[in-house]
Amino acid sequence: DAKTTQPTSMDCAEGRAANLPCNHSTISGNEYVYWYRQIHSQGPQYIIHGLKNNETNEMASLIITEDRKSSTLILPHATLRDTAVYYCIVRVFKAAGNKLTFGGGTRVLVKP
Amino acid sequence: NAGVTQTPKFRILKIGQSMTLQCTQDMNHNYMYWYRQDPGMGLKLIYYSVGAGITDKGEVPNGYNVSRSTTEDFPLRLELAAPSQTSVYFCASSSQAAAFFGQGTRLTVV
Repeated sequence: DAKTTQPTSMDCAEGRAANLPCNHSTISGNEYVYWYRQIHSQGPQYIIHGLKNNETNEMASLIITEDRKSSTLILPHATLRDTAVYYCIVRVFKAAGNKLTFGGGTRVLVKP
Repeated sequence: NAGVTQTPKFRILKIGQSMTLQCTQDMNHNYMYWYRQDPGMGLKLIYYSVGAGITDKGEVPNGYNVSRSTTEDFPLRLELAAPSQTSVYFCASSSQAAAFFGQGTRLTVV
């Protein structure tokens, strides 16, 4: 699976959009971009995933650049409950074992 | 809608003791996983399974064993507990698209 690079930490104001960048310059054509988050030592929570088109669900939006070498997770209206570590993971969809490899993630602090 | 259930939530073991961490899922997923997370660190894969009767090692399998006799259950066995196994253990199951995690078992070996 391709390696990802994320900022170690970032702050965000409550009610504002939070834009979380992820660099995956070595991504292969069949690799998807996944986002998970972990709130205060709970189990990680799936947020969203995509291949090349932008994706949106009830939690967030995922913007993938045209060359697919980077992406941005957007939390449209951050709340205090969005304070968490956010993991960007790149992997092949339906690969044997479907394993996820977690890096260090971005520690996001939403401030009032 | 239980999802992935882990028991126990907390446990203290003495060095050399054994225990089994239980994990069950009700989503009929073929893929299941065990991860450990040390304080301030990311998750590391211990073992995984692609279906009943099939298991394989992950990144850090030493000191652990698993079995998968049913689709629903994926227990993790610690045979001789060591202080280095003090960690939070997460079980997960996966559809083709996304993984779902339990709430974790916090294990301390003293």
